[in-house]
Amino acid sequence: AIQLTQSPSSLSASVGDRVTITCRASQGISRALAWYQQKPGKGPNFLIYDASTLESGVPSRFSGSGSGTDFTLTISSLQPEDFATYYCQQFKSYPLTFGGGTKVEIK
Amino acid sequence: QAHVVESGGGVVQPGRSLRLSCAASGFTFGNYAMHWVRQAPGKGLEWVAVISYDGDNRYYADSVKGRFTISRDNSKKMLYLQMNSLTMEDTAVYHCASGEEWLFRGDVYWGQGTLVTVSS
Repeated sequence: AIQLTQSPSSLSASVGDRVTITCRASQGISRALAWYQQKPGKGPNFLIYDASTLESGVPSRFSGSGSGTDFTLTISSLQPEDFATYYCQQFKSYPLTFGGGTKVEIK
Repeated sequence: QAHVVESGGGVVQPGRSLRLSCAASGFTFGNYAMHWVRQAPGKGLEWVAVISYDGDNRYYADSVKGRFTISRDNSKKMLYLQMNSLTMEDTAVYHCASGEEWLFRGDVYWGQGTLVTVSS
């Protein structure tokens, strides 16, 4: 199975900060990577697919980049509603796998 | 409104079996792939299994392959997860979720989950 390693596992940031989360795949997955946001007690909210394509309705402060094994999710200016846990997920092949998650907390 | 509700969790001894159910309502269940995803206490998301909208295709995580079986009954709007040979590592909250076969995208209905505790 393809393993995804996210870093950091948690971070503290302030409103307005630029935040970057990385996701590394154990083997090349081309651009078959998605990013989700999850808040406590809720299902994951789909943000980005194909590594960099923003899902309709997702604010433009979210962006993704990368291909092969190294990917990033960037929030250009953190907003209060962005404090949550973020996951990457590969869809290159089954079994589907998620990264370990990055919890973004208020500094 | 549309939602899914899981049931069937509980405390079970290692090596025993358990069957989880997921009841869907308020959406055209037969149009969606359905997934099981679990979350161990204090841990992240772990994808478990998926079944295609028609039941023809099923895929599993390596950690459950050969022990768990996903199935569905579109006439009853029900999703199931038969879990055999349970180990302590299977302890988690199990969520069912609608979506695409590869992504949790579009009309994703995610349940509150049912807790499975494997303990002697």
